[in-house]
Amino acid sequence: DQQVKQNSPSLSVQEGRISILNCDYTNSMFDYFLWYKKYPAEGPTFLISISSIKDKNEDGRFTVFLNKSAKHLSLHIVPSQPGDSAVYFCAAEFYNTDKLIFGTGTRLQVFP
Amino acid sequence: DVKVTQSSRYLVKRTGEKVFLECVQDMDHENMFWYRQDPGLGLRLIYFSYDVKMKEKGDIPEGYSVSREKKERFSLILESASTNQTSMYLCASSTRQGPEKLFFGSGTQLSVL
Repeated sequence: DQQVKQNSPSLSVQEGRISILNCDYTNSMFDYFLWYKKYPAEGPTFLISISSIKDKNEDGRFTVFLNKSAKHLSLHIVPSQPGDSAVYFCAAEFYNTDKLIFGTGTRLQVFP
Repeated sequence: DVKVTQSSRYLVKRTGEKVFLECVQDMDHENMFWYRQDPGLGLRLIYFSYDVKMKEKGDIPEGYSVSREKKERFSLILESASTNQTSMYLCASSTRQGPEKLFFGSGTQLSVL
């Protein structure tokens, strides 16, 4: 049973526009959520996170929104740049265990 | 900078072989993890360890075992490799502090023929 879902396997966005990546989860006990970015032949790297007590966290061009009632989070990238082209994984954690449950990933392509 | 090093980038093994995947981290992190990444399935947790000589099963431990004799080293063992274990294997470490949680190695692409 997939507890963390990313229903869009891929997304294509023009440079300068907004990219919106979505993630849904089923376990209401998750209390911390993260986004990781992965380039080919590299390990995932941390991008941004949000605690369940917040509904928004912003870091430069990246903003994560959390809607607990809908069990939904989204990552907004504005403006999108070609270097943002990568696979993005959302992940969820409970009780500060560092044991993360990952989604299936969304491949973002930003074209000129 | 945290560094998590996986000993091999690419590995090709035969069915039935015993396979060792090694991972070393240099930041004195207590926790270490092994994930595998497969297309359409994301990252799935195989085993993890919160301390030396300690191990816990993740979501897909069947066919795998682990060893953690030293704090900095966490080995994943495929006792008898099978073709369905062909995958990208990712090691990670963490310290339960800071927002980043996991620091990953570059991965080992294992092909079992």
